[in-house]
Amino acid sequence: GAGVSQSPSNKVTEKGKDVELRCDPISGHTALYWYRQRLGQGLEFLIYFQGNSAPDKSGLPSDRFSAERTGESVSTLTIQRTQQEDSAVYLCASSLGGPVQQYFGPGTRLTVT
Amino acid sequence: KNEVEQSPQNLTAQEGEFITINCSYSVGISALHWLQQHPGGGIVSLFMLSSGKKKHGRLIATINIQEKHSSLHITASHPRDSAVYICAVIRGGSEKLVFGKGTKLTVNP
Repeated sequence: GAGVSQSPSNKVTEKGKDVELRCDPISGHTALYWYRQRLGQGLEFLIYFQGNSAPDKSGLPSDRFSAERTGESVSTLTIQRTQQEDSAVYLCASSLGGPVQQYFGPGTRLTVT
Repeated sequence: KNEVEQSPQNLTAQEGEFITINCSYSVGISALHWLQQHPGGGIVSLFMLSSGKKKHGRLIATINIQEKHSSLHITASHPRDSAVYICAVIRGGSEKLVFGKGTKLTVNP
């Protein structure tokens, strides 16, 4: 079956512009997670959704970052007024919820120039 | 101090060697993941475990909840095993993963 997909795969944007990153989870997966990996750094948690609600937004680095999920399916991560330090690979994962295996998408590589 | 510590940070082995990567954590957890990140960046979940031992092919993962320690073993290592191996824990009462910094494994032919 289809795995987690993300789009775009690569995004280059100018500092100050807004960007939207999309994640399509595995069908039927109620939990969806966003992570970030900056160059040479480890993975860091951003936000997770259970259904359409986000019980844990503790990893969002600033109020320029927001995310939503609709129809218990697709999720969008929006970064407003991008900064160079936002350059990273943004990874999405989905699962059936709870302490179970998470399935990762291929990521979106964001470069802010 | 990071909540999840991995060792070694880098590991170089010859094909056929037995590999061990260690992970220690300092918080109460509900589960622990071992992930593999290939040079192209894709991440694959290898194991999720909350007790005991799991085996898949040449890979074995163990966890000792009392000692807050897990190990990932690779038997008969192969160059295609070259990747970054990441330990991540799910804190009790949470669903988010807390990641170690990863172990970069290079297996030479």
